[in-house]
Amino acid sequence: EAGVAQSPRYKIIEKRQSVAFWCNPISGHATLYWYQQILGQGPKLLIQFQNNGVVDDSQLPKDRFSAERLKGVDSTLKIQPAKLEDSAVYLCASSPGYGQPQHFGDGTRLSIL
Amino acid sequence: KQEVTQIPAALSVPEGENLVLNCSFTDSAIYNLQWFRQDPGKGLTSLLLIQSSQREQTSGRLNASLDKSSGRSTLYIAASQPGDSATYLCAAPVSGGYNKLIFGAGTRLAVHP
Repeated sequence: EAGVAQSPRYKIIEKRQSVAFWCNPISGHATLYWYQQILGQGPKLLIQFQNNGVVDDSQLPKDRFSAERLKGVDSTLKIQPAKLEDSAVYLCASSPGYGQPQHFGDGTRLSIL
Repeated sequence: KQEVTQIPAALSVPEGENLVLNCSFTDSAIYNLQWFRQDPGKGLTSLLLIQSSQREQTSGRLNASLDKSSGRSTLYIAASQPGDSATYLCAAPVSGGYNKLIFGAGTRLAVHP
């Protein structure tokens, strides 16, 4: 079974620039999650999709972050404009459904200069 | 509001020791609890998921217990090996949330030969 795929693995940008991350979940997994993990902390949920609908985006800074999941499969997360405090690892995860384990990709490490 | 705390933050032990990692959570109305492992520069790997109806779950040298009444879970690692060196995170779901997880900050484990 192929795991959760994310790209790019690393990204360095200057503040106020824009950036996008891509995630391909495990085939057949209906639920997709984007997390932000700041160094030394546990992951924090940014947005959760069930198929192509948003279930929870309560912690997504909507003035600068956006995400979409087209056709209920791949997803992209965008930041525009980036701030210094956005430096973190952005993790994508997927799960088959309610109460099932979440499976994570290797993440995208974002550095803001 | 669910909050998750892990103690200790870091642990360094010689190979062969038996270890106990602790996780506490504030909202005991959980339906499961999940333990993850994170290697440097990598995403999270699911180790064990304990359903609320279970008291413990085992996988190889790992054993996780769950006590909802006291708001605690422990991860027991038997006969530790250098390959066990990683950060271990526990995650508890949010009541009323659709599989939304709240993570602890993790325990950073180093097992030296």
